[in-house]
Amino acid sequence: QSVLTQPPSVSGAPGQRVTISCTGSRSNIGAGYDVHWYQQVPGAAPKLLIFDNSNRPSGVPDRFSGSKSGTSASLAITGLQAEDEADYFCQSYDTSLSASVFGTGTTVTVL
Amino acid sequence: QVQLVQSGAEVKKPGASVRVSCKASEYTFTDNYIHWVRQAPGQGLEWMGRINPNNDGTNYAQKFQGRVTMTCDTSISAAYMDLSRLRSDDTAIYYCARSSLLVPATMTYYDVWGQGTLVTVSS
Repeated sequence: QSVLTQPPSVSGAPGQRVTISCTGSRSNIGAGYDVHWYQQVPGAAPKLLIFDNSNRPSGVPDRFSGSKSGTSASLAITGLQAEDEADYFCQSYDTSLSASVFGTGTTVTVL
Repeated sequence: QVQLVQSGAEVKKPGASVRVSCKASEYTFTDNYIHWVRQAPGQGLEWMGRINPNNDGTNYAQKFQGRVTMTCDTSISAAYMDLSRLRSDDTAIYYCARSSLLVPATMTYYDVWGQGTLVTVSS
């Protein structure tokens, strides 16, 4: 099971700002490992959204931003748009499992 | 463009084995690890393991040790994932994804994904 915990869902009106948390422990995020974020629209493969805590790949709008502190990380979406409706997953490394681990996932709904 | 193209959907009976393929194009296959990640229906993502196409070195998640085998054929830029002794809870979409060989496992992220292969295990 996932060792990184995310809220099951968040929602916001168009133009608003939403944040998604990703809570880990001392064996993953708290150990200093980077956090990465993926967006998955229904029926499609995940897409890299943020890497190394706060970096955006080419082509990802600057409405998406990431941060990390202690045993948690956050993804923020500002200026929410209808096309942002998707599932979002965080990912890091866990030293106890010696494995890459993903968050439980969060569904973003645009009201 | 850079892409990973996977084989088609499979239906298997419990106890059988399945092979999923992943063919890379428009990049140097040996510059990246290939990872396998699965997603059960309506569930989250689960890392299964990775392979280094340069030396066939593998790392498997403990959960799949003994049941999964990952291989590569560098002559055709393809990777394969074999899963044996299938159970109903192996029903999932299986994705291949790449990460840079220059990035250690503790910092790995996946910048290109295959389209996914649905494997259904049912009697």
